[in-house]
Amino acid sequence: RKEVEQDPGPFNVPEGATVAFNCTYSNSASQSFFWYRQDCRKEPKLLMSVYSSGNEDGRFTAQLNRASQYISLLIRDSKLSDSATYLCVVISYNQGGKLIFGQGTELSVKP
Amino acid sequence: DAGVIQSPRHEVTEMGQEVTLRCKPISGHDYLFWYRQTMMRGLELLIYFNNNVPIDDSGMPEDRFSAKMPNASFSTLKIQPSEPRDSAVYFCASSSTNYGYTFGSGTRLTVV
Repeated sequence: RKEVEQDPGPFNVPEGATVAFNCTYSNSASQSFFWYRQDCRKEPKLLMSVYSSGNEDGRFTAQLNRASQYISLLIRDSKLSDSATYLCVVISYNQGGKLIFGQGTELSVKP
Repeated sequence: DAGVIQSPRHEVTEMGQEVTLRCKPISGHDYLFWYRQTMMRGLELLIYFNNNVPIDDSGMPEDRFSAKMPNASFSTLKIQPSEPRDSAVYFCASSSTNYGYTFGSGTRLTVV
């Protein structure tokens, strides 16, 4: 079983739709959580950190459920420019602080 | 700051040749990571350094792969001999305890 698992995708949605991505992690000692965005043929870039209380950044909302070892990302009012691959990322400091990436979920927003 | 700088951006080589990928981390970052990305396996951590010392190389696929960090501003990932299955995008990233992770633009390696 992979340490970090995501919805396989791809997600094809119309502009303006709300879309949600889910992610589960297997290491209960995991301590930091992030969503990264990766555009085609580019490097991953940090989208947002995920906090236990949940956090919002404009149209993006991230949630963490430590009991279920589950992370989510909600995108409201999706834009064409949101089309990318979204990577769930976990850091477990008992593994030296390295980033562990999920496989990624591809999002395509259509006009 | 120029960010994490990787070179070359693209590399095409013949099977059996030695390949060297280079990375310059962000000044002041004390962690450096090498990742490999393929369609089949996604992003995989190969090795990482802290203060120029290799901490975890359990992701290095086999003895053909080696990495060095002779100083705080430079690291190399070497494949010798290269094989077609090594074709992938190789990313370098750096971080410190006070800053987030920043990735370089990657090296797209094709072994024919």
